[in-house]
Amino acid sequence: DADVTQTPRNRITKTGKRIMLECSQTKGHDRMYWYRQDPGLGLRLIYYSFDVKDINKGEISDGYSVSRQAQAKFSLSLESAIPNQTALYFCATSPSWGNYGYTFGSGTRLTVV
Amino acid sequence: AQTVTQSQPEMSVQEAETVTLSCTYDTSESNYYLFWYKQPPSRQMILVIRQEAYKQQNATENRFSVNFQKAAKSFSLKISDSQLGDTAMYFCAFDILDDKIIFGKGTRLHILP
Repeated sequence: DADVTQTPRNRITKTGKRIMLECSQTKGHDRMYWYRQDPGLGLRLIYYSFDVKDINKGEISDGYSVSRQAQAKFSLSLESAIPNQTALYFCATSPSWGNYGYTFGSGTRLTVV
Repeated sequence: AQTVTQSQPEMSVQEAETVTLSCTYDTSESNYYLFWYKQPPSRQMILVIRQEAYKQQNATENRFSVNFQKAAKSFSLKISDSQLGDTAMYFCAFDILDDKIIFGKGTRLHILP
């Protein structure tokens, strides 16, 4: 099994629908992140959490919300999806010690029509 | 603001050649970590190499090495003896010790047979 699991892998949804992307990890890492990837824009940080009670906005949090249900679970919600939220979404984790980069999930490709 | 610039959106080289991907960054911090990530067509994000800014010695990982020029804020990636499996999007990234990694926009690398 993957260390960081994202579900669903792909999703098509309609404008205005609420959708949740889920992330779970077996790494035991305290820190979890949500990024979105758009062609030509790289990866941009949406939200991050350094522990269960700590949630922080990233550079592009508008239109998104998150929930850290447990150390191992971090969900991203789009309350009312819009077409410009069509993107590849990544969940990532890192330990609270050191700076060794992230462990990434395999991504969720979301299309809003 | 912290920024990462990858000036080459796309590159192509012949198999077995050496290729260098450019990256510059901007920060007023003196201590930080730099990374190169690879994203093959499978879309998985894979850490290629990591450099600690306080270390002058350039990091190497098998065929991958970096040229880290701290004063110039430059962090290029060299791939020697390139292989077809090196075809991917490559992202330069850094962490200024606040544990939020900032990514560049990426360089798409094609290795031609």
